Amino acid sequence: DTEVTQTPKHLVMGMTNKKSLKCEQHMGHRAMYWYKQKAKKPPELMFVYSYEKLSINESVPSRFSPECPNSSLLNLHLHALQPEDSALYLCASSQWYRAGGHYGYTFGSGTRLTVV
Amino acid sequence: GENVEQHPSTLSVQEGDSAVIKCTYSDSASNYFPWYKQELGKRPQLIIDIRSNVGEKKDQRIAVTLNKTAKHFSLHITETQPEDSAVYFCAASPYNTDKLIFGTGTRLQVFP
Repeated sequence: DTEVTQTPKHLVMGMTNKKSLKCEQHMGHRAMYWYKQKAKKPPELMFVYSYEKLSINESVPSRFSPECPNSSLLNLHLHALQPEDSALYLCASSQWYRAGGHYGYTFGSGTRLTVV
Repeated sequence: GENVEQHPSTLSVQEGDSAVIKCTYSDSASNYFPWYKQELGKRPQLIIDIRSNVGEKKDQRIAVTLNKTAKHFSLHITETQPEDSAVYFCAASPYNTDKLIFGTGTRLQVFP
């Protein structure tokens, strides 16, 4: 299995809702990532998990809460979002070595989120 | 921190011509440089990557070159086809971090 699977593919939520995005990979990758991508812009890093521990939080608002239950799963919990949070949310995974960099950096298909 | 600049922002070529996209990075310690292709509404897909101990890498019609002294790397696509039309992103990964810093993207259009 060489894929990163994200669910749901589309999500519409109100500003008072609580929802979760899910990401799964079975490539044995030890690093997993959440990105946010607005239209016509590059992916913007939000969080990095390395060996199931949060290693990077790029000053993301607390209404986004990541969780890594095990080495294959990554969740992003959403609460009290704003319309400007509407975007494509991409999960990725890689095998990362300090000296060699990334191997097999793979993106999922994303969740297109609309906040109304 | 690392900063990646990418040029041009748009590129139009005739089918069969070559296309070149250039990126510069700021952190001389960066050691991994991938290129991604993103079609409309789809995920970024890795098309080729290069590590800092290599100067050039080729895969069929796609090649990447790296000049560590000048801190720039380039994507070369030869014999372009309409299905090469997409947005291309370069990226750089600073040494000793698991970050990937993206360039701003190049929209490539290949006209039949």
